[in-house]
Amino acid sequence: AQTVTQSQPEMSVQEAETVTLSCTYDTSENNYYLFWYKQPPSRQMILVIRQEAYKQQNATENRFSVNFQKAAKSFSLKISDSQLGDTAMYFCAFMKHDAGTYKYIFGTGTRLKVLA
Amino acid sequence: DVKVTQSSRYLVKRTGEKVFLECVQDMDHENMFWYRQDPGLGLRLIYFSYDVKMKEKGDIPEGYSVSREKKERFSLILESASTNQTSMYLCASSFQGRVSGEQYFGPGTRLTVT
Repeated sequence: AQTVTQSQPEMSVQEAETVTLSCTYDTSENNYYLFWYKQPPSRQMILVIRQEAYKQQNATENRFSVNFQKAAKSFSLKISDSQLGDTAMYFCAFMKHDAGTYKYIFGTGTRLKVLA
Repeated sequence: DVKVTQSSRYLVKRTGEKVFLECVQDMDHENMFWYRQDPGLGLRLIYFSYDVKMKEKGDIPEGYSVSREKKERFSLILESASTNQTSMYLCASSFQGRVSGEQYFGPGTRLTVT
């Protein structure tokens, strides 16, 4: 069975600094997708960034980038130039698609606080 | 913009009551999901539907049922609410054809069972 582990329940970072959130997963699959979702306080969860396992190149979205290490089963999120609006709960997620069935596994989340 | 809405943001029910949580999406998504979010446990899948009237059990279906009579609407039903069902409930939807996998989430319903 697949598992997703986020070992940092809480983190803080000074505004404008860089922070890295860690995520490891366990799977025997070769083709899958990995995601980071952001859930701001009292607001809807939104997708931050997505990585297809078959792509070696790390995904980037503006200030957000990932370090995807397939062999190590590691998928960390780096936030550069942190902003107060980045304060949120961040969830790492694994998804496998197989014959119409979508299997999503979420980590337990990392609560990030950006300090002014 | 994709919009996923949930019928209530906050709900307080008594033990033994029948509870309906409704979710509506406006982007013609085939897949819809109900999750439960608890501190330290992340999101756990309750039920998943990939088409009208179709459903699959997730990881924690006990005590819950679902209904999908129309493509845009997915309901979660607690037949007899219990205090251990006090939680945040999140609905999500996604396209089936495009395997980008992105899920779109509703704002959540915080249910308290007393």
